[in-house]
Amino acid sequence: QVQLKESGPGLVQPSQTLSLTCTVSGLSLTSNSVSWIRQPPGKGLEWMGVIWSNGGTDYNSAIKSRLSISRDTSKSQVFLKMNSLQTEDTAMYFCARLPGYNFDYWGQGVMVTVSS
Amino acid sequence: DIVLTQSPATLSVTPGESVSLSCRASQGISTSIHWYQQKSNESPRLLIKYASQSISGIPSRFSGSGSGTDFTLSINRVESEDFSVYYCQQSYSLPYTFGAGTKLELK
Repeated sequence: QVQLKESGPGLVQPSQTLSLTCTVSGLSLTSNSVSWIRQPPGKGLEWMGVIWSNGGTDYNSAIKSRLSISRDTSKSQVFLKMNSLQTEDTAMYFCARLPGYNFDYWGQGVMVTVSS
Repeated sequence: DIVLTQSPATLSVTPGESVSLSCRASQGISTSIHWYQQKSNESPRLLIKYASQSISGIPSRFSGSGSGTDFTLSINRVESEDFSVYYCQQSYSLPYTFGAGTKLELK
């Protein structure tokens, strides 16, 4: 069955770079697109970006200058890198499969706190 | 960016009631709207895609309607497991955006 699982550091210092990994199973990244979505504590969902099945990427313009999404298809992993982190980047970070234009399978999420 | 406005922010109901949740888009988006349920401390779950298309495994009491700018998620006879937050999401244009959510709570 399709599964996604996020991993990464729980605590990042301000101005540092966040690196997260989404490990997928039950699907191939060469025929599936994966997005990153985040949710600050007690708030709503923000779409961050997508890596399409063809390897192309699109990003939310609000954070585009700080964000990079890549993948390793042989390891079934999708990566998120975001630099210049601030306290407002504190959030639960999810990866999710994008089969068409909605998100049908989600990871459990990883909580990232930006604090010194 | 397309803004999605959900109303009400909070809806207090008793089990057995039927409810309608609204999502309004800042411009016409055809039927490119999808609905999610998020229970406390869980990941969102896709309920309805493309405004009215059902999802396998989702109870039939959940249904969706609308096109253009106005959309509705209906729950026929709310059950205790339905108390959670509901989000709409548009896929008409990038960046994909979500509404702020409607919290369905026990009255």
